[in-house]
Amino acid sequence: GEDVEQSLFLSVREGDSSVINCTYTDSSSTYLYWYKQEPGAGLQLLTYIFSNMDMKQDQRLTVLLNKKDKHLSLRIADTQTGDSAIYFCAERPANSGYSTLTFGKGTMLLVSP
Amino acid sequence: NAGVTQTPKFRVLKTGQSMTLLCAQDMNHEYMYWYRQDPGMGLRLIHYSVGEGTTAKGEVPDGYNVSRLKKQNFLLGLESAAPSQTSVYFCASSYGGNIQYFGAGTRLSVL
Repeated sequence: GEDVEQSLFLSVREGDSSVINCTYTDSSSTYLYWYKQEPGAGLQLLTYIFSNMDMKQDQRLTVLLNKKDKHLSLRIADTQTGDSAIYFCAERPANSGYSTLTFGKGTMLLVSP
Repeated sequence: NAGVTQTPKFRVLKTGQSMTLLCAQDMNHEYMYWYRQDPGMGLRLIHYSVGEGTTAKGEVPDGYNVSRLKKQNFLLGLESAAPSQTSVYFCASSYGGNIQYFGAGTRLSVL
């Protein structure tokens, strides 16, 4: 079955770059997503990438996709204390009935001043 | 435009009690989903619906029932709550299935 793996915790200093990594197992995945969850809140879609792309950039966010290694990363440039949150990687396998997603367990990002 | 709204936000139940969680979306989305989030487990799909009057089981459906009588609403029911159902429940909706929009969650404790 599908499985999405993420490291559990990342700590950075304000102003540094953060890189959150994710590996997935289903090579047929058509879309890959990054969601952000702030304390006590729901999940907010940050960005997503189609499986036929290698990179996507959106302001401070850069997503890199290595399909050969089934590896997805999210880079946050100039990380701010407001970026402290849990970040979830998710995949949409091609055979997922009705577009169900498989989520990783989340990476907690802590940004210190 | 409120997006996805979940009620209630918090609830405490005793074992054996029943309750219904309501999810409402105003984006005219066809697809709706219920997830539960537990520490260290990420999000797991309970049930989902691809349109009014249709429902399907997800990864962890046992102990839950759902109904989608109106397109904008997706109800999650617990007939006889158990402590193992203590969790944070999230509803999501999607237009074509590619992008899911989430509600703020319902925090449920079963004592």
